[in-house]
Amino acid sequence: DAGVIQSPRHEVTEMGQEVTLRCKPISGHNSLFWYRQTMMRGLELLIYFNNNVPIDDSGMPEDRFSAKMPNASFSTLKIQPSEPRDSAVYFCASSLDGTPYEQYFGPGTRLTVT
Amino acid sequence: GENVEQHPSTLSVQEGDSAVIKCTYSDSASNYFPWYKQELGKRPQLIIDIRSNVGEKKDQRIAVTLNKTAKHFSLHITETQPEDSAVYFCAASRHLGGQNFVFGPGTRLSVLP
Repeated sequence: DAGVIQSPRHEVTEMGQEVTLRCKPISGHNSLFWYRQTMMRGLELLIYFNNNVPIDDSGMPEDRFSAKMPNASFSTLKIQPSEPRDSAVYFCASSLDGTPYEQYFGPGTRLTVT
Repeated sequence: GENVEQHPSTLSVQEGDSAVIKCTYSDSASNYFPWYKQELGKRPQLIIDIRSNVGEKKDQRIAVTLNKTAKHFSLHITETQPEDSAVYFCAASRHLGGQNFVFGPGTRLSVLP
């Protein structure tokens, strides 16, 4: 298995631009998580889906952030408009209900907003 | 909601010594406690986990202990090696379909040769 796939791996954009991050979970996994990691705030859960349905989006910072999971093999996290404070590493992770309980992380997308 | 605290935030040990990282959680309904290791520039990866029906679990040089009454759990690394240098995150979770983890802030471990 290729593991969780994220694209792009690096994104540099100017303030005000729209940014779309993409994630392909491990085949067969039915839960998907989006995290943001910064030095100041650590690893924060933004939103998670179970069976393609958003379960908890309380971590989404504001209306500029949105996430979708149109099918079991694809999810997007969109930021519109982007701001410099959105600069961070964004991780996607997936897991399967039931044992084992492990969340498998993707390689992350390093976002820089100038 | 769940709140996970982790101490210390940084830890330096000499190679061969032991390292201990401690976490506390607030939600008595949490029943699964994983530990993730994140090397510089890489993704977090699970190294060991424990469920609430177990008090201790070992895997070679690493072990985790859980005290449900006090709501704290600890990671123990023995005979530390330079490759153990990384950031370690603890987490707590309930199992309600989709394992929503609440992560601690992390501990940066440095193993000095």
